[in-house]
Amino acid sequence: AIQMTQSPSSLAASVGDRVTITCRASQGIRNDVGWYQQKPGKAPKLLIYPASTLQSGVPSRFSGSGSGTDFTLTISSLQPEDSAAYYCLQDYDYPWTFGQGTKVEI
Amino acid sequence: EVQVVESGGGLVQPGGSLRLSCAASGFTFSSFWMSWVRQAPGKGLEWVANMKQDGSEKYYVDSVKGRFTISRDNAKNSLYLQMNSLRAEDTAVYYCASEMGGLRYWGQGSLVTVSS
Repeated sequence: AIQMTQSPSSLAASVGDRVTITCRASQGIRNDVGWYQQKPGKAPKLLIYPASTLQSGVPSRFSGSGSGTDFTLTISSLQPEDSAAYYCLQDYDYPWTFGQGTKVEI
Repeated sequence: EVQVVESGGGLVQPGGSLRLSCAASGFTFSSFWMSWVRQAPGKGLEWVANMKQDGSEKYYVDSVKGRFTISRDNAKNSLYLQMNSLRAEDTAVYYCASEMGGLRYWGQGSLVTVSS
């Protein structure tokens, strides 16, 4: 199975900060990666898919980049409502695999 | 308005069975692959299984192969997960999600607890 190594596992930042989360795949996966935001007690929400395409309704402060094995989710100016866990998911090959998650605290 | 609603969770003993259901509305269910994703208490997300529109292809994570079966009824806009030989490590919230270029629409989840 393809492993998605996500880092950091957690971070604390201030409102207005630029935040970067990375996922590294154990093999090349083209750009078949999605990024998800999950708030406590809620279902995950799709932010970006594939790799760098922002989903409709998602604030433009979120962006994604990468291809092959290295992928990045960036929040350009952190807002209080961005406090959540973030996950990457590869759907290049089965079984699909998530990164371990990054908890963002503000 | 899109709605995805899971049901069927509950407390079951190790070795027991449970069937989860997922009712979808607000989109053309029969046109999309559908997935199950789970999350153990306090843990991360784990993709479990998915199924093609017509049911001709199904895929599973290794840890549930031979024990879980995904199915769908397009006439009822419903997805199912039959879970047999349940283990303590299957305890999780199970989410149903539609595949529309990423997992676009999610339900609220259904809690499955495997314990004696």
